Amino acid sequence: DSGVTQTPKHLITATGQRVTLRCSPRSGDLSVYWYQQSLDQGLQFLIQYYNGEERAKGNILERFSAQQFPDLHSELNLSSLELGDSALYFCASSVMPGKGYNEQFFGPGTRLTVL
Amino acid sequence: TQLLEQSPQFLSIQEGENLTVYCNSSSVFSSLQWYRQEPGEGPVLLVTVVTGGEVKKLKRLTFQFGDARKDSSLHITAAQPGDTGLYLCAGVIQGAQKLVFGQGTRLTINP
Repeated sequence: DSGVTQTPKHLITATGQRVTLRCSPRSGDLSVYWYQQSLDQGLQFLIQYYNGEERAKGNILERFSAQQFPDLHSELNLSSLELGDSALYFCASSVMPGKGYNEQFFGPGTRLTVL
Repeated sequence: TQLLEQSPQFLSIQEGENLTVYCNSSSVFSSLQWYRQEPGEGPVLLVTVVTGGEVKKLKRLTFQFGDARKDSSLHITAAQPGDTGLYLCAGVIQGAQKLVFGQGTRLTINP
């Protein structure tokens, strides 16, 4: 158990819909990262937050947005969903950017299926 | 263009055999990590290497960081079915703070 929690575990929805994925980082970690992993593919970095502020952006679509709240939990919002958005979405946390060699601890993921 | 290239992408061997997975880049990394991911679960950090030439052992797994800190290898001795999974290398490019991931090596150990 990494200490990172993600909800829900599974999500099935239809094209055009909007969903919200939730992540709670490990106790003491200030930085949260979101990744997308499609079938049989590696991890694609989406976005990073540190202590409530956006820190870095990766290959995140404009239809996707995220935020980190004062209690440090984070939400990833996916809108106007398309079939190709079906994937595993992982949240990871670390102490802070650049500290501890940026070792990231991953949650169990949310499996999103868009029908 | 992938900053970290892993090879092979797929590897299927028999229980008891040895294997090596490689992670290569043209960039210098201040640190490099190896993760293992099982189906339907999140990646789990195995090891972090930070010094050029560093070797770390984790039971039957041996991790090495290249002298120039541009590459790394993971060697598994006497592979077991429980070693099956996706192995990901990830590194922090020197001077940056972003962690970049390789595309992974999918390892299958057959009983």
